[in-house]
Amino acid sequence: EIVLTQSPATLSLSPGERATLSCRASQIVTSNLAWYQQKPGQAPRLLIYDTSSRATGIPARFSGSGSGTDFTLTISSLEPEDFAVYYCQQSSWITFGQGTRLEIK
Amino acid sequence: EVQLVESGGGLVQPGGSLRLSCAASGFTVSSTYMSWVRQPPGKGLEWVSVIYRGGDAYYAGSVKGRFTVSRDTSKNTLYLQMNSLRVEDTAIYYCTRDISDVYSSGWYPYWGQGTLVTVSS
Repeated sequence: EIVLTQSPATLSLSPGERATLSCRASQIVTSNLAWYQQKPGQAPRLLIYDTSSRATGIPARFSGSGSGTDFTLTISSLEPEDFAVYYCQQSSWITFGQGTRLEIK
Repeated sequence: EVQLVESGGGLVQPGGSLRLSCAASGFTVSSTYMSWVRQPPGKGLEWVSVIYRGGDAYYAGSVKGRFTVSRDTSKNTLYLQMNSLRVEDTAIYYCTRDISDVYSSGWYPYWGQGTLVTVSS
């Protein structure tokens, strides 16, 4: 089983700032990576799949990158609605990271 | 428009059984890849099972032998039969649909609202 470790656990930033979230895999991820956003009381929302493809309706400020074992989700300029929990996921015998909480500073 | 609506959650004693349903609209459940993902209260996400277009099903090790995924084409509904439930099965259970109808990509753009299963004596 591929273990995904996200860092930091909590990220405190202000609207307008750039957010960089990390996801490290315990072994090489051959199937690429996805990122989800989850707000309280809601189901997760797919943001990025295949490492860098934005899902339908996702704003351009969200971008994904990486390869091998190291992946990154970048939010170029934070909007108030972006503060939430973010999970990474790999699709080879599916596993999720433990999440990064993005909170308002 | 794709919609997924789960039902069937509730309180059950350890060792008991429960069947979850996921009513789909906007597409046919047998024409794509459907999965269940769960989330213990206040915790992260865990993949539970997938059923392929052809009917093959796969399970996480934590539920294999206890949970069974199935579908009813006439009702366009996905099911999760959960037996021998444990306290650690307590979670919100989400029904999801794959982004692809051609192969099981493992990417989930469609989620239901979830149904809460509580296993407690």
